[in-house]
Parts: sequence; structure tokens; C-alpha cells
Amino acid sequence: ETGVTQSPTHLIKTRGQQVTLRCSSQSGHNTVSWYQQALGQGPQFIFQYYREEENGRGNFPPRFSGLQFPNYSSELNVNALELDDSALYLCASSLWGFGNTIYFGEGSWLTVV
Amino acid sequence: EDKVVQSPLSLVVHEGDTVTLNCSYEVTNFRSLLWYKQEKKAPTFLFMLTSSGIEKKSGRLSSILDKKELFSILNITATQTGDSAVYLCAVEPNFGNEKLTFGTGTRLTIIP
Repeated sequence: ETGVTQSPTHLIKTRGQQVTLRCSSQSGHNTVSWYQQALGQGPQFIFQYYREEENGRGNFPPRFSGLQFPNYSSELNVNALELDDSALYLCASSLWGFGNTIYFGEGSWLTVV
Repeated sequence: EDKVVQSPLSLVVHEGDTVTLNCSYEVTNFRSLLWYKQEKKAPTFLFMLTSSGIEKKSGRLSSILDKKELFSILNITATQTGDSAVYLCAVEPNFGNEKLTFGTGTRLTIIP
């Protein structure tokens, strides 16, 4: 186990709804990144948070937003859900500057119907 | 745009065989290449490679990076059924910037 915990593990939402996914980073880590992994694909970078600020964003629309809290935990919010948002959402925590400390949580499976 | 291509997409071998998984990349800035194993959900870290020609080993797994030809290979010897998984390759662009670009992965199936 990596010490990175995500919740919920599974959820089903209806198109147009909003969802919040949560991530607790590993102790000592100060950076959280979120990835979307569609079935049969590799993870795609959504955005990264470092010291409570967004530090880079992938090719995702503004309806994907996030937060990082003082304890370095993080939330991913997705508004106006679309069917294509159905995927495994992975949270990765790391210590800034040390790529070999990137640890992934178990992910949250989101199904949009 | 950064790009990572893995081959083959899937591979089925018998227990005891040796396999080689390939990863090629095109990135604007390169800091490291990482290999992960994904069995169910969370990708688990295998190797981080930063220098060309230096092999990293962990038990039956080994990996090497060629920064001139922009590729890496992951070797697994004496495969076991527990090696069945998706193997992901990712590149990290800049120092202190762990925004990984992943390949699609290679699905490895080991037949007893």
C-alpha cells in the first residue's frame, strides 16, 4: 500500500451532474496530481497542486477543477458531467522534485450514465 | 506535444518465458522515464531511469534507457502468473515537475 487514499472507490452519476473526488496524500508529500484513465488507455494528466496552488494543467476543460488543502489533501471537482468522463480517476502524491516518490492511490471509478 | 508509445499493446506468453516490453518517447524536456505495473487500480512504481546505458534491476525485472535513440525496455525473466498486469511507461519532463506523460501500456498475460 502506498499511503495515498482516495474516496469514493466507485460511484455512478447522471449526465449533467457534478462530482467531487477526494485524495489524502502520503505523509511527507507536498504535491498532488490528478490523472484520468479511460478503459484501455494510459493515465492522462489533469492538473497538479503544489502548496495549495495549481501548478500546471493538462488538456482538460475548465469544468475540471481542484483544490489542495493545508494538509496537502486534495479534491477534484467535475461539473456538467458527460458520458466521456466515465473513467478511473487516479490521485498521485509526491515530494516536489523527487520523481521516484510518485505514489498512486487506488483510484475512483466514475461511471456517468 | 509530448508522446510516449509502448509496444506491443498486448502479449501472451507461457510461465517461465522471458519478455521484453518497449517504450519510445518524444518529449520537449526530459528528466526521467518511469515504469509502473498496474494490476487492478493503482499503478505501482517499478523503476526510474535518468541516465543512458545504466541497467536497473529488481529481482527478475530489469530496465535500461537509451537517451540517444529515445527508448527504454523492460525485461522480465522467468515470468510467473503474478507478473500478469498492464505495464505502463511514463516520462517526467522537468526537474521538480512530476507531470507524467504515459503510454497506453502493454497488457501482459502469463499462461500457467
